[in-house]
Amino acid sequence: DSGVTQTPKHLITATGQRVTLRCSPRSGDLSVYWYQQSLDQGLQFLIQYYNGEERAKGNILERFSAQQFPDLHSELNLSSLELGDSALYFCASSGRGHGTEAFFGQGTRLTVV
Amino acid sequence: EDQVTQSPEALRLQEGESSSLNCSYTVSGLRGLFWYRQDPGKGPEFLFTLYSAGEEKEKERLKATLTKKESFLHITAPKPEDSATYLCAVRGNTGKLIFGQGTTLQVKP
Repeated sequence: DSGVTQTPKHLITATGQRVTLRCSPRSGDLSVYWYQQSLDQGLQFLIQYYNGEERAKGNILERFSAQQFPDLHSELNLSSLELGDSALYFCASSGRGHGTEAFFGQGTRLTVV
Repeated sequence: EDQVTQSPEALRLQEGESSSLNCSYTVSGLRGLFWYRQDPGKGPEFLFTLYSAGEEKEKERLKATLTKKESFLHITAPKPEDSATYLCAVRGNTGKLIFGQGTTLQVKP
């Protein structure tokens, strides 16, 4: 158990809909990262937050947004969903400093039908 | 732009047959190079962090090494339970944690 909790584990929704994925980081970790992993694809970096502030941005679509709350949990909002958004979405957290390792949750499997 | 390339994409070994996985990287100001193991449908599991050229880390049958341009994950006498996808990632001055595509290892008994 990495200590990073993601909910829900599975999500099935229709095209055009909006969903919210939730992540609780490990106790004491200030950084949260979001990744997308499509079938047979690598981990694509979406966005990073540090102590409530956006720290780095990757190839995140405009239809996607995220935030980190004062209690450090984070949410990833996906809107106007398309079939191609079906993927595993992972959250990771890490402590202070760029050199610290990140620990991953078990992911949310999103299926858009 | 920070970039990570892993090779080979897939590797099949017989149990006990040692080999190495390669991770080539370009990064602005390396802050850390990380190795992870990922089982199908699961989140990546942290294995090692390497910070500077010449550094080595070991854990059971795995040993990770680092040069200024590459990292290697050496697997000694692998067992079927070592079958997984092994991911390499770097973090540089941007703070982004960038992953390679991974090497999928299959170890046959």
